[in-house]
Amino acid sequence: RKEVEQDPGPFNVPEGATVAFNCTYSNSASQSFFWYRQDCRKEPKLLMSVYSSGNEDGRFTAQLNRASQYISLLIRDSKLSDSATYLCVVSWYSSASKIIFGSGTRLSIRP
Amino acid sequence: EPEVTQTPSHQVTQMGQEVILRCVPISNHLYFYWYRQILGQKVEFLVSFYNNEISEKSEIFDDQFSVERPDGSNFTLKIRSTKLEDSAMYFCASSDGRGVAEAFFGQGTRLTVV
Repeated sequence: RKEVEQDPGPFNVPEGATVAFNCTYSNSASQSFFWYRQDCRKEPKLLMSVYSSGNEDGRFTAQLNRASQYISLLIRDSKLSDSATYLCVVSWYSSASKIIFGSGTRLSIRP
Repeated sequence: EPEVTQTPSHQVTQMGQEVILRCVPISNHLYFYWYRQILGQKVEFLVSFYNNEISEKSEIFDDQFSVERPDGSNFTLKIRSTKLEDSAMYFCASSDGRGVAEAFFGQGTRLTVV
């Protein structure tokens, strides 16, 4: 089983739609969870951290389900500028010695 | 805003040659990483570095690879004898290692081995 697994997509949705991605992780000892965004041929950039209680940042909501070992990202009122690849990232140890990326979910927002 | 900087942005090298990729992490960060991303594929962990030594490495990071922090600011990745399959984008990242320990990435070095 892959350490971090995501649906590669692509998700092709109209502007204004709500879209959700899931990500599963295999190591129950995983400590920290993040969503990163990567634009074509650019570096990954932190979108948001994912906390046990769930957290929201504007149009973005992240959830963590430790029992089922998955995290999710919800994007409401999607914009054209949200088109990117969304990377699920898991840190194995609280000391951050190893940070693993999922393969990413491609999102394309159409006008 | 502090950032991770990488040089060069693009490097072309002949197969069998040695290359050194350079990174300047964010100054108060304690953990440093190298990742690579082959075109169209996922971001792959290579190595993490803490307290002047390797703390974790992947199976990709074989004897051809080495890392060094030669002074207080630079963090380098050396590939001793490049192969065609080493062609990829190489990202350096750094983290302060505390709390949720998110990593900040440099813009990457595109390595092309010909």
